[in-house]
Amino acid sequence: GQQLNQSPQSMFIQEGEDVSMNCTSSSIFNTWLWYKQDPGEGPVLLIALYKAGELTSNGRLTAQFGITRKDSFLNISASIPSDVGIYFCAGHQGGSEKLVFGKGTKLTVNP
Amino acid sequence: NAGVTQTPKFRILKIGQSMTLQCTQDMNHNYMYWYRQDPGMGLKLIYYSVGAGITDKGEVPNGYNVSRSTTEDFPLRLELAAPSQTSVYFCASSYGRVYEQYFGPGTRLTVT
Repeated sequence: GQQLNQSPQSMFIQEGEDVSMNCTSSSIFNTWLWYKQDPGEGPVLLIALYKAGELTSNGRLTAQFGITRKDSFLNISASIPSDVGIYFCAGHQGGSEKLVFGKGTKLTVNP
Repeated sequence: NAGVTQTPKFRILKIGQSMTLQCTQDMNHNYMYWYRQDPGMGLKLIYYSVGAGITDKGEVPNGYNVSRSTTEDFPLRLELAAPSQTSVYFCASSYGRVYEQYFGPGTRLTVT
């Protein structure tokens, strides 16, 4: 089936540092999404991107929809301890009833 | 609003037993989904429903069954549990837009 390649798999950073992660695919997607999963909880939608080239922010988070429509990027600025969790990218293709999820990037923030 | 609720939170099953994982949403969402999450493997779609009375298979449906008799409820049935079904199960729902999914807190299932 469809696959999204998400990298890095894990990151260990110091509080205050900026973080970048990305998601790539061999297929084109019409919508890219970024979810965050806190330990022991379900994923929560952070940002949704609907157009190629779109850059969207949500507080300290900024995500971009790649112009090829085959990738997306998420940046977190000035990380804080509550940023800890797993970040998932997901893609949606027009006409599909389903999302395709990446395997996640596990973020650890050291105070 | 409670959003998406799942019961139970934890369950241990013996091999060959059966159980139903409950999922209820109070947002009047038409789309509902069941995923399983294995460590380091992301989310895999088991079954989904686009409305009451309509269900369809996802990526990993074997060993599971679903029904959708009401808009609110989407139970997942495990028949003859196997160790390979040890996982965390998430239910999700969305309204109209497939991609803006709201997830429940999950059910952690262990089959021994």
